[in-house]
Amino acid sequence: GQNIDQPTEMTATEGAIVQINCTYQTSGFNGLFWYQQHAGEAPTFLSYNVLDGLEEKGRFSSFLSRSKGYSYLLLKELQMKDSASYLCAVRVYSGAGSYQLTFGKGTKLSVIP
Amino acid sequence: DAGVIQSPRHEVTEMGQEVTLRCKPISGHDYLFWYRQTMMRGLELLIYFNNNVPIDDSGMPEDRFSAKMPNASFSTLKIQPSEPRDSAVYFCASSYMDGNTEAFFGQGTRLTVV
Repeated sequence: GQNIDQPTEMTATEGAIVQINCTYQTSGFNGLFWYQQHAGEAPTFLSYNVLDGLEEKGRFSSFLSRSKGYSYLLLKELQMKDSASYLCAVRVYSGAGSYQLTFGKGTKLSVIP
Repeated sequence: DAGVIQSPRHEVTEMGQEVTLRCKPISGHDYLFWYRQTMMRGLELLIYFNNNVPIDDSGMPEDRFSAKMPNASFSTLKIQPSEPRDSAVYFCASSYMDGNTEAFFGQGTRLTVV
């Protein structure tokens, strides 16, 4: 199976930078996704990494190290609307041409003035 | 496309009753996932389909849970009989699972079993 770990909660100040870490143990790794989920809503896609390195997308960046089983999501210039849960998800090849997508429990980020 | 469509949005039922949740994936997506989300366990994968065929149902908690995908545009998740511990938000998601294509989620069904 897959084991995905993230911190449960984090708090950061408006305008600051925050890094949310994710570690995973899996076989058949085929990509890592970050999703954002506001309370009472569905998860929405933020970023995707399959090769080592940093992917930048506006205020959000995501980093992957496959050898370490490690990723982080970096949020810059935090805004109050960034208060949400951030979910790390790993796609694995499960055999017979099929893929599986498994999520961590998510990190609840609170942005304070 | 209207996105992934789930129904109902909310369901309140009594313990012992049968509950059926429905999902219409995005047209053309060949993967469909059913997830359950609770505060304690987060987003758990229950079962997923590839080209309408169930691939892995190891996440289905008990025999009380069953899922079907009779065609590419419709899937159901059934709980019979329902129990209070089944109360959760159930999400359906669909994807191509190819390259950087993400999974798209429906708005979820909030199930309360009393």
